[in-house]
Amino acid sequence: QKEVEQDPGPLSVPEGAIVSLNCTYSNSAFQYFMWYRQYSRKGPELLMYTYSSGNKEDGRFTAQVDKSSKYISLFIRDSQPSDSATYLCAFDQTGANNLFFGTGTRLTVIP
Amino acid sequence: IAGITQAPTSQILAAGRRMTLRCTQDMRHNAMYWYRQDLGLGLRLIHYSNTAGTTGKGEVPDGYSVSRANTDDFPLTLASAVPSQTSVYFCASSPTGGVGYTFGSGTRLTVV
Repeated sequence: QKEVEQDPGPLSVPEGAIVSLNCTYSNSAFQYFMWYRQYSRKGPELLMYTYSSGNKEDGRFTAQVDKSSKYISLFIRDSQPSDSATYLCAFDQTGANNLFFGTGTRLTVIP
Repeated sequence: IAGITQAPTSQILAAGRRMTLRCTQDMRHNAMYWYRQDLGLGLRLIHYSNTAGTTGKGEVPDGYSVSRANTDDFPLTLASAVPSQTSVYFCASSPTGGVGYTFGSGTRLTVV
């Protein structure tokens, strides 16, 4: 079993839709839960992070973590064409010299 | 603008040739990393360095070497390139105790 599972998509939605992106993980030692956004031909950029179960909101973006189910989500409200990118979940474990990444979900928001 | 600079942006390389990918950061981050990104496999760690003068192996280190002579620079060398090293290579850095990494824009390498 992979430590991180992420549906690769692709996901295509109309402008203004609510988008839900999800990852599951198996390692209980993960302490930080992150979402990165990667535009085409660019490096990933950190979008949001949290370290506890529950919701964290930042503008149109909400990160949700359920540690008991080992499940994290990123919600995008009022999606815009500029949100079209690949979204990667990532996990941090204290003492590990690495982040554990999902393979990414490619999102297209159609105007 | 603070961040990570990678060079070259892209390269076509003949198999068997030696190549060094350059990475420089101006954020004074202690830790630096090299990843390769392949379709369906995601980002995989090649090598890392927690501080100048130290390096460590990641998930896929074979065929690659790194050095960390100072805080800012972290070059990745392919001693004798093979076609399976065709990939997009990203350099990243993070501060001690910080959360998340800052990534460069990547180097697209094709080995033929």
